[in-house]
Amino acid sequence: QSVLTQPPSASGTPGQRVTISCSGSSSNIGSHTVNWYQQLPETAPRLLIYSNNQRPSGVPDRFSGSKSGTSASLAISGLQSVDEADYYCAAWDDSLNGFVVFGGGTKLTVL
Amino acid sequence: EVQLVESGGGLVQPGGSLRLSCAASGFTFSSSWMYWVRQTPGKGLVWVSRINSDGSSTTYAASVKGRFTISRDNAKNTVYLQMNSLRAEDTAIYYCTRLTHSGSYYVDYWGQGTLVTVSS
Repeated sequence: QSVLTQPPSASGTPGQRVTISCSGSSSNIGSHTVNWYQQLPETAPRLLIYSNNQRPSGVPDRFSGSKSGTSASLAISGLQSVDEADYYCAAWDDSLNGFVVFGGGTKLTVL
Repeated sequence: EVQLVESGGGLVQPGGSLRLSCAASGFTFSSSWMYWVRQTPGKGLVWVSRINSDGSSTTYAASVKGRFTISRDNAKNTVYLQMNSLRAEDTAIYYCTRLTHSGSYYVDYWGQGTLVTVSS
């Protein structure tokens, strides 16, 4: 069981807007910023969004993040087939000397 | 360009040992906290261990405490994970990652991962 809760799957058609939710608690999302990772098949995760809504260099502006209280969301607009991947949320957690906790991942299918 | 390259994974019998290595380049390794994360199909991404920049502070997940040891050699830009008394449930892809800070701590770079399989 992952500390952060995500829906196991999501889907959309090309051009659509899709959102993925992430729910946590006061010791993680409620106190710290949220980050999102994209994992394409057979590859390592890569940072997609950091500090709730910041995009690293090279990440298209179709990807955006938001946070409210102990929940966060990742939005993908103008969905493309190359976006088909697993998406993970993460946040620092203050429990037990502090560590990064992850969501269970959401598999995004582009129909 | 930041690169993290893991090595040392493989097949090992229950109770055996492995040492993973992670060679870092493209950033000031001696100033960076490093983190091992593992991924299994059933349990997703889980943190394993972290080490601060000079190696004076280490932390472990409860599931590996007492069996795994993280260390680093800043002269070689390398972080290690010594894994002893391995169990079937340690089977996973192990990723070396860099921990950074901007408001809160988070992982910004990942290695390609190395597969550890514990089986008889």
